[in-house]
Amino acid sequence: AQSVTQPDIHITVSEGASLELRCNYSYGATPYLFWYVQSPGQGLQLLLKYFSGDTLVQGIKGFEAEFKRSQSSFNLRKPSVHWSDAAEYFCAVALPQGAQKLVFGQGTRLTINP
Amino acid sequence: GAGVSQTPSNKVTEKGKYVELRCDPISGHTALYWYRQSLGQGPEFLIYFQGTGAADDSGLPNDRFFAVRPEGSVSTLKIQRTERGDSAVYLCASSLSGTRTEAFFGQGTRLTVV
Repeated sequence: AQSVTQPDIHITVSEGASLELRCNYSYGATPYLFWYVQSPGQGLQLLLKYFSGDTLVQGIKGFEAEFKRSQSSFNLRKPSVHWSDAAEYFCAVALPQGAQKLVFGQGTRLTINP
Repeated sequence: GAGVSQTPSNKVTEKGKYVELRCDPISGHTALYWYRQSLGQGPEFLIYFQGTGAADDSGLPNDRFFAVRPEGSVSTLKIQRTERGDSAVYLCASSLSGTRTEAFFGQGTRLTVV
């Protein structure tokens, strides 16, 4: 069955520190890959997406992610976090065919220490 | 409107009652999705519309759940004989075509069944 795993339920980093959130997927073929952010009281917002091509993708708010086929991973990174980055982050995948419905991971809650 | 609008934002209902949740997608978006997000979990796919038709309803948990999109715009998710386990945030998303296009999410309807 298709699945997405975010191994870290909760991560705490200091403001200004670097960040990496992990995401692994289990699919028969390379799916489309996404990272979403959900802030309290806000809807899910797309940070970045990967369909094909360059495996390092840039997103909004200074985030980037790298697709590694050999590891079935799509980790999210940011070189220096800001207090406003505190939120819940979701990795998601979709098959390129059909409905392209998103399958989400469980999420990683990010806390920023001042 | 500028974004995906969901009403009501909160709904409390008694076990066994019928509820309707409304989604108003971004104008011109042909693809519409419903997801359900339980506490501490990532969103789970329920149903996908392309235009007026339900192209994929594989995520509906049972026959108490039904959704319509009669004119290819506004959609209503209907839940009959609600159960306490139906308590969750119901998210709606729309995208331009459903193919390699970004899905924009509404802020959700928090349903509580007491």
